[in-house]
Amino acid sequence: DIQMTQSPSSLPASLGDRVTITCRASQDIGNYLRWFQQKPGKSPRLMIYGATNLANGVPSRFSGSRSGSDYSLTINSLESEDMAIYYCLQHNEYPYTFGAGTKLELK
Amino acid sequence: QVQLQQSGAELVKPGTSVKLSCKASGYTFTSNHMNWIKQTTGQGLEWIGIINPGSGGTSYNVKFKGKATLTVDKSSSTAFMQLSSLTPEDSAVYYCARHGGPPSNWFAYWGQGTLVTVSS
Repeated sequence: DIQMTQSPSSLPASLGDRVTITCRASQDIGNYLRWFQQKPGKSPRLMIYGATNLANGVPSRFSGSRSGSDYSLTINSLESEDMAIYYCLQHNEYPYTFGAGTKLELK
Repeated sequence: QVQLQQSGAELVKPGTSVKLSCKASGYTFTSNHMNWIKQTTGQGLEWIGIINPGSGGTSYNVKFKGKATLTVDKSSSTAFMQLSSLTPEDSAVYYCARHGGPPSNWFAYWGQGTLVTVSS
């Protein structure tokens, strides 16, 4: 199975900060990488698809990037509504696998 | 608009089975695959498998083979997942999530989740 190593597991940040979350893939997944945001009691929300593309309705302060096997989600100018858990997902091959999650919280 | 409506919470006894449903609306059910995902506090998100509603073809995570069985009822646009020989480790929230259409829509639509609690 492809392992998605996500870091950090917890990320304290202040409003207005720029933060970055990273997933490293254990094998080549091309750009078959998605980022999700999940708030308590809610279903995951798609934020980024194809590693770098903003999903419908997602604010432009979110962006995705790739460097080799490292995939990153960056949030510019953090807002209170961004506090959530973020997960990456590779869907290049079965079984699809998720990162362990990053909890973004106010410092 | 696309909606995935999942069945309600289940409290079930160890050793029994449970069948969860995911009713789709707002799109052509047979044109988009359906994923099932498990979420627990300890294990995070785990992909269980995927079903092609048009053909009934399935692919499973090896970890869930023998545990989960995916089926559909095309007449009611509903996907099902049966979980068998339940243990407390199967206690989780289970989601269905649509896969198909343009790439921007893959995993863009999720059900609200079904909480399964396995307890005697």
